[in-house]
Amino acid sequence: GENVEQHPSTLSVQEGDSAVIKCTYSDSASNYFPWYKQELGKGPQLIIDIRSNVGEKKDQRIAVTLNKTAKHFSLHITETQPEDSAVYFCAASPGSNYQLIWGAGTKLIIKP
Amino acid sequence: AAGVIQSPRHLIKEKRETATLKCYPIPRHDTVYWYQQGPGQDPQFLISFYEKMQSDKGSIPDRFSAQQFSDYHSELNMSSLELGDSALYFCASSLVQRTDTQYFGPGTRLTVL
Repeated sequence: GENVEQHPSTLSVQEGDSAVIKCTYSDSASNYFPWYKQELGKGPQLIIDIRSNVGEKKDQRIAVTLNKTAKHFSLHITETQPEDSAVYFCAASPGSNYQLIWGAGTKLIIKP
Repeated sequence: AAGVIQSPRHLIKEKRETATLKCYPIPRHDTVYWYQQGPGQDPQFLISFYEKMQSDKGSIPDRFSAQQFSDYHSELNMSSLELGDSALYFCASSLVQRTDTQYFGPGTRLTVL
């Protein structure tokens, strides 16, 4: 079955700098890759997603890149702000069903 | 925009009691998913429903059951509660044509004493 690995587990960056979180997946049939932001005590919030027919997608300060050959995808946050502090999860959808297989999460800390 | 609604937001139960969690999906969404999230863990898929039928099953204990009603809301019934059932329970909903795009509710925090 699908397995998603996410790194790093914790990332601390200076406010205004960029942050990059990386995920790898194992099932080449996976075709949908969302990223969720979860603040303490709240539900995961979908922030950006990408499908396997696209290599890159951008939404203001957030971008996601997908390398199907290497089976990895990354979240890029530019000009980080204090409100970006949260846990970020990547996920993959195998395509054979609609389950999401989740990464273990990255705690992003924005230092003032 | 309307979001997924979950109730109650917090629930405290004793061991061996039962609990019912409710989920109201985004309007026009016909698919509902239930997840369990322990402290510091990623969400674990429990079960999903499409058009009131169970569509997929994950790591849901036999003590738990769920259903989706004609108005598309869903209920997760948990019996013989154990201390280890203490967790955040999330419901997510999606539209069948984009079934892999899931939108999450705020969650129910269940504490079993």
